[in-house]
Amino acid sequence: AQSVAQPEDQVNVAEGNPLTVKCTYSVSGNPYLFWYVQYPNRGLQFLLKYITGDNLVKGSYGFEAEFNKSQTSFHLKKPSALVSDSALYFCAVRDGGSGAGSYQLTFGKGTKLSVIP
Amino acid sequence: DAGVIQSPRHEVTEMGQEVTLRCKPISGHNSLFWYRQTMMRGLELLIYFNNNVPIDDSGMPEDRFSAKMPNASFSTLKIQPSEPRDSAVYFCASSLVPASSYTFGSGTRLTVV
Repeated sequence: AQSVAQPEDQVNVAEGNPLTVKCTYSVSGNPYLFWYVQYPNRGLQFLLKYITGDNLVKGSYGFEAEFNKSQTSFHLKKPSALVSDSALYFCAVRDGGSGAGSYQLTFGKGTKLSVIP
Repeated sequence: DAGVIQSPRHEVTEMGQEVTLRCKPISGHNSLFWYRQTMMRGLELLIYFNNNVPIDDSGMPEDRFSAKMPNASFSTLKIQPSEPRDSAVYFCASSLVPASSYTFGSGTRLTVV
């Protein structure tokens, strides 16, 4: 079974400060890791993913995430937060093995990010 | 590409009525997923299809829920009869291969009164 934990329901950060949204995962095979963002009354939008290669992944809107295999973590980061970054952020994991079962993405509960002007 | 298209955007219905939600995935994507989002339970996978075949429907809450994918460009999620606890936002998503990200639709907000 695969699972994702986002330990913080809410993260508050001042505009211009760096932000981190935490994510840890559990999967039996190689992890495929994703971050999505959801703005109010909208669907989820893809931000970035880690499949293989460099542990630091860069994505949309200046976000990046660092894959840490030993800590089974995939924290989302941004050097300087904007008010417009305020949204709900979801981490997700998929088992990178073969077979139809590996198509399934498991999402965390989500973390609400509030960037304070 | 217009993305994943869901209809209707909003649905208000009375308890006991049948509700049908519709989804058109991105052309060429071979996997389709139905999720339900509530404040209490977050995002729950209801069912997913690979090449139009249901692979895992273990997330379907009960027999009142059914999903079909008659062809690669269309899927439906039906609730019959609907109950107030079914009120949620239902998302459809599609993807191409395991390493690909999902593309989500804008969702259908269902309210059962």
